[in-house]
Amino acid sequence: ETAVFQTPNYHVTQVGNEVSFNCKQTLGHDTMYWYKQDSKKLLKIMFSYNNKQLIVNETVPRRFSPQSSDKAHLNLRIKSVEPEDSAVYLCASSTWGLYEQYFGPGTRLTVL
Amino acid sequence: GDSVTQTEGPVTLSEGTSLTVNCSYETKQYPTLFWYVQYPGEGPQLLFKVPKANEKGSNRGFEATYNKEATSFHLQKASVQESDSAVYYCALSDSGGSNAKLTFGKGTKLSVKS
Repeated sequence: ETAVFQTPNYHVTQVGNEVSFNCKQTLGHDTMYWYKQDSKKLLKIMFSYNNKQLIVNETVPRRFSPQSSDKAHLNLRIKSVEPEDSAVYLCASSTWGLYEQYFGPGTRLTVL
Repeated sequence: GDSVTQTEGPVTLSEGTSLTVNCSYETKQYPTLFWYVQYPGEGPQLLFKVPKANEKGSNRGFEATYNKEATSFHLQKASVQESDSAVYYCALSDSGGSNAKLTFGKGTKLSVKS
């Protein structure tokens, strides 16, 4: 099956903990993205990578760090989570130069 | 920078009625325009895209025309069904840049009642 896969589906944690989310795409794309979707469904780009290189880094707190091992994988680590980090984190991929992006199902993070 | 403004939701309709979700945009470039749809528990998925001004895109009974003069890209459907209940996003590409960035509107939640 060709798609964008994300793990875990849900994660509940306490303030101050570290979390990591995984994303893998089997679409053969060379560009991957992380978005944050808040409770009002607002979508905000956080990072984008092309062939393992960081291309876009929007204004996000330093506790967020993306990690790319190859062009099919883009993980997201959050050091010391805070309550405002509660959201759905969506991973997406595309082919460089083409604009349509394909999204994974998201990881819902709840910070208590 | 680029911006997209769309109908504020939520929008509630009865099955069989028509839908219009307004979308207007601001950009200094020549964007490709998109409509995405997000069903509950899923990520957004592309409904259709229109890369050129004055052209129409369509899919699953939804359609929108890229109106460059009015900087609009309104989504329409003649007769909605309960299965159309979802959040709809208008988006534009940063065609002048090199990072293929999409700018999304705030989303419009549609609920269709039988």
